[in-house]
Amino acid sequence: EVQLVESGGGLVRPGGSLRLSCAASELIVSDNYMSWVRQAPGKGLEWVAVINPDGRTYFADSAKGRFTISRDTSKNTVYFHINSVRGDDTAVYFCASGFFAVAGKNYWGQGTLVAVSS
Amino acid sequence: DVVMTQSPLSLPVTLGQPASISCRSSQSLAYSDGDTYLNWFQQRPGQSPRRLIYKVSNRDSGVPDRFSGSGSGTEFTLRISRVEAEDIGVYYCMQGTHWPYTFGQGTKLEIK
Repeated sequence: EVQLVESGGGLVRPGGSLRLSCAASELIVSDNYMSWVRQAPGKGLEWVAVINPDGRTYFADSAKGRFTISRDTSKNTVYFHINSVRGDDTAVYFCASGFFAVAGKNYWGQGTLVAVSS
Repeated sequence: DVVMTQSPLSLPVTLGQPASISCRSSQSLAYSDGDTYLNWFQQRPGQSPRRLIYKVSNRDSGVPDRFSGSGSGTEFTLRISRVEAEDIGVYYCMQGTHWPYTFGQGTKLEIK
């Protein structure tokens, strides 16, 4: 059974940085389009970044410049770095794969909460 | 960026009755490879999102056949033929034809 497990969330001060991890099992991250999607409290879904199988990365406009996405194939894990954290970065961050894959091949993690507060 | 506009944003429905959600994109979602990259997701309270429909009209594994998707170009629709209690939640459309991917605002389905 495919599992995506996010970790690394927590309380962070404004201006700080954070690294979120998405560890995959029964799925090879380097063979898949791996995205991060965030959801602010009580709000809708916002796609923020993807790393493609070929290693190319794309970001939402709101994520350019402060966010990076990377992967470690030896650990089968995708990372999401947030620099210069702001209050509006407070959200649950979901890792997801295969948005346009065939039936049954879109997977989501349970999410990790990032709370920005001084 | 492609703006995805859903309507209605709130949808009270009687159990057993049909429901329909509209999603409009600010640009055509038809891609040069012949596909249209428009998905529908369901998010039940307290849960991660779940994909229901991919590329306009393809139902995901385990999704009841009362859910169907249709549309083309810039106008898309998710239909539920007979709403059941387990369908409560928020529904999102999402496009992947143009970078960056973008979601609609979400439509909250509730039981009358």
